[in-house]
Amino acid sequence: AQSVTQLGSHVSVSEGALVLLRCNYSSSVPPYLFWYVQYPNQGLQLLLKYTTGATLVKGINGFEAEFKKSETSFHLTKPSAHMSDAAEYFCAVSEGTGNQFYFGTGTSLTVIP
Amino acid sequence: DAGVIQSPRHEVTEMGQEVTLRCKPISGHDYLFWYRQTMMRGLELLIYFNNNVPIDDSGMPEDRFSAKMPNASFSTLKIQPSEPRDSAVYFCASSLDQGGYYGYTFGSGTRLTVV
Repeated sequence: AQSVTQLGSHVSVSEGALVLLRCNYSSSVPPYLFWYVQYPNQGLQLLLKYTTGATLVKGINGFEAEFKKSETSFHLTKPSAHMSDAAEYFCAVSEGTGNQFYFGTGTSLTVIP
Repeated sequence: DAGVIQSPRHEVTEMGQEVTLRCKPISGHDYLFWYRQTMMRGLELLIYFNNNVPIDDSGMPEDRFSAKMPNASFSTLKIQPSEPRDSAVYFCASSLDQGGYYGYTFGSGTRLTVV
C-alpha cells in the first residue's frame, strides 16, 4: 500500500533563507512523486513531478526536488525563500498510470520578512 | 483553456437544505475527481469518474452525498440533507490519467458553510 508522510505541518523560514519541506513515501513499485502548492483561497497547482529519468526535478518558481530511492524521500527545496512562497504544500504519490493518487497531509510554509 | 471551473465559489446554507456543487472539467480529460478539504482531515478523495462512469465512491461519507457526471463536460456533487459537519472546501479536479502522470488540474473550489 502507498502512503505519504510530510514531516512538519508548519514550517517558518526567513525571507532569503533555504526552504526545505520533507516528504517520505512508501510504495511497492517505483513511484510517481509530486509536489502541489495551494495558495490561499485557491485550488492545488502542480509544482513539479518525478515519473522516470533524472532524479533531480525542477519545478516552477525556483523549486526543485530530488527523488532518493534509498531514503524513500522526495524533499522539496528552494535556495532562497520569497514572501510569495507562503502557501500550503502537498506531497503526493502514485504507483503509475491507472493507479490511485495519494496526497500527504500538507505543510504550511510561512515566510518571515 | 479556462481550466477546471467550479460553481459556486461560496455557498452558505441552512442545515437540512439540499446543496449542489458543480464542476466543468478540462475538455479531453477522461478522469474527474471530487475532493473535500478540512482542517481536521486534510484532503479526502470522495469519488472519481472515468469517461463519465463512477469508478470508486468509497470516499463518499454517507448516503447523503451523491455525485453524477451526465456528460464529459459536467459533474455535480449533491448533499441532501446538509449538516454543519459538511462545512468544508470541495474541490473538483480533472486529469488525462488516474495516476497523475499528466498532473491533476484543480478548480478553485467551493467553500461550503452549513449553519
